[in-house]
Amino acid sequence: EPEVTQTPSHQVTQMGQEVILRCVPISNHLYFYWYRQILGQKVEFLVSFYNNEISEKSEIFDDQFSVERPDGSNFTLKIRSTKLEDSAMYFCASSASGGLPEFFGPGTRLTVL
Amino acid sequence: EDQVTQSPEALRLQEGESSSLNCSYTVSGLRGLFWYRQDPGKGPEFLFTLYSAGEEKEKERLKATLTKKESFLHITAPKPEDSATYLCAVQAGNYGGSQGNLIFGKGTKLSVKP
Repeated sequence: EPEVTQTPSHQVTQMGQEVILRCVPISNHLYFYWYRQILGQKVEFLVSFYNNEISEKSEIFDDQFSVERPDGSNFTLKIRSTKLEDSAMYFCASSASGGLPEFFGPGTRLTVL
Repeated sequence: EDQVTQSPEALRLQEGESSSLNCSYTVSGLRGLFWYRQDPGKGPEFLFTLYSAGEEKEKERLKATLTKKESFLHITAPKPEDSATYLCAVQAGNYGGSQGNLIFGKGTKLSVKP
């Protein structure tokens, strides 16, 4: 069964450092999303991406964040200068039809020290 | 402000003991309501989409219903493998935004004991 994969499963970084979280969406999907979930809090939408550009982003997705699809398989989320409050689980999701994000990856736990 | 509230926060059931989870929402125009299941340490797993009041969807022991103010996830004769956190999310607004922009509730953690 096809699945969304994410690496690494856990990333520890120092405040102010750049991190790149990687996702491999399902191969024939065209729509990609990032979400985050701070421990004990709700899942929050960050950004949606289609046709090599951002289609929508939330207020959380400020200038410190960027996304990229560097090749035909990977989809990355970069945080330029991490803050303590960026510590969270980050989920990638993908969709074939441009609607609901049906398939989520297992997440990357980001810990900022 | 668009908001999604789920209750109860946690629910413990005996195997076979049917119950319902609630998701109430206040949004500026509902485009869709979605239910997900989330197991510990994993990403959400899509269960159902509901678009209009009166709509119902079923899958195995789960049935989701929708009214103008809330949705219920009914669990009939649950088994221990149904233990998980169940998330409700809505897509709001009358704009042409992506369907990925979902507002999630905090979830209901369901435990089913054998």
